[in-house]
Amino acid sequence: SQQGEEDPQALSIQEGENATMNCSYKTSINNLQWYRQNSGRGLVHLILIRSNEREKHSGRLRVTLDTSKKSSSLLITASRAADTASYFCATGETSGSRLTFGEGTQLTVNP
Amino acid sequence: DVKVTQSSRYLVKRTGEKVFLECVQDMDHENMFWYRQDPGLGLRLIYFSYDVKMKEKGDIPEGYSVSREKKERFSLILESASTNQTSMYLCASSPRMSRVGANVLTFGAGSRLTVL
Repeated sequence: SQQGEEDPQALSIQEGENATMNCSYKTSINNLQWYRQNSGRGLVHLILIRSNEREKHSGRLRVTLDTSKKSSSLLITASRAADTASYFCATGETSGSRLTFGEGTQLTVNP
Repeated sequence: DVKVTQSSRYLVKRTGEKVFLECVQDMDHENMFWYRQDPGLGLRLIYFSYDVKMKEKGDIPEGYSVSREKKERFSLILESASTNQTSMYLCASSPRMSRVGANVLTFGAGSRLTVL
């Protein structure tokens, strides 16, 4: 069963704009991760946030987590054409448990 | 710099054929996973393995089997391929005890299988 659900399914913006993607999940989690996938390739881990954290930053990425609403958001600031990819959230119910992925958000950044 | 290698990027097979998808990782990871990815369905876990010769069913194991004879290699087997197994197959690995305290996956590039 799919734990995470991303919203929107597709997002198209201009270079330089910020992109925000959301993820909702159903059960209690230990951690939530975001991955990126370029077309036809494997996924690459971007950032992890634990259930006791509310916000994490990594370069142009900002992740927030609201466990009361069971939701997370990924913000990419000052987007570039190279950010064009699909972005997936994945949740882990315990620290070592398997991850459950959402369906992804397809981000297109237009030059 | 490739750390998880999937043997075939593209395969075309016929219905009823036996298909082997191979995955090798060079990071000495204990955990290995096979996912399939389909449009609108995201990634679904087929099988995973926490150690050599160990395997556990994921969410959609029907029609698949796996083999983990060596730590670095995790094979996905389609005993009798069917058209509904046409998909992108993704292998991933992770260390048992991650320094970040969570299961962070390293993925291969994927194997796109078409069953005619």
